[in-house]
Amino acid sequence: AQSVTQLDSQVPVFEEAPVELRCNYSSSVSVYLFWYVQYPNQGLQLLLKYLSGSTLVKGINGFEAEFNKSQTSFHLRKPSVHISDTAEYFCAVTPQGGYQKVTFGIGTKLQVIP
Amino acid sequence: DTAVSQTPKYLVTQMGNDKSIKCEQNLGHDTMYWYKQDSKKFLKIMFSYNNKELIINETVPNRFSPKSPDKAHLNLHINSLELGDSAVYFCASSPQPDPAYEQYFGPGTRLTVT
Repeated sequence: AQSVTQLDSQVPVFEEAPVELRCNYSSSVSVYLFWYVQYPNQGLQLLLKYLSGSTLVKGINGFEAEFNKSQTSFHLRKPSVHISDTAEYFCAVTPQGGYQKVTFGIGTKLQVIP
Repeated sequence: DTAVSQTPKYLVTQMGNDKSIKCEQNLGHDTMYWYKQDSKKFLKIMFSYNNKELIINETVPNRFSPKSPDKAHLNLHINSLELGDSAVYFCASSPQPDPAYEQYFGPGTRLTVT
């Protein structure tokens, strides 16, 4: 079975500052990794995903994440945040192939301070 | 032109009642899902259907019964509602059941059981 740990439940950051949201996973098999964002009172939206290949993945809205197999991490970064980035961010993992379920982390609330 | 829609958006009901939540996707996807998000924002899969056939069935009380009349619709019926069923329920769809594909989420249905 796989699991996801998001190490920070809340991350306050000033506008235009950089941010990193941390995610570690556990799995005995090869995995796909995702970051989803949930704006208030909305459903989740995919930010980016890692399937294979380059370990640095770029997503929408200026976000990127780096897959580190040795540290079993998939941290999300943005060099300069905006007020509109205030949202809940979910890291997710799933085993590769077949009819597999996606396991989500508990989420990290990013609070951008003006 | 909503891709994944759910009705109703809010549902307030009393313990012991039976209720249904409807989900429709107009993306032409083969696979649909139901997720439950609790008050701590933890998101957990409940069911997944591919071309109207059940492919993922997590440990969910049998009071919950999904129904897929066609591949564009996945409804969730809940019998004998309990206080612990209060949550936000999200429907999602993806082109295929391979977890490498992005899941598209609906806006959610907030169920409150009193």
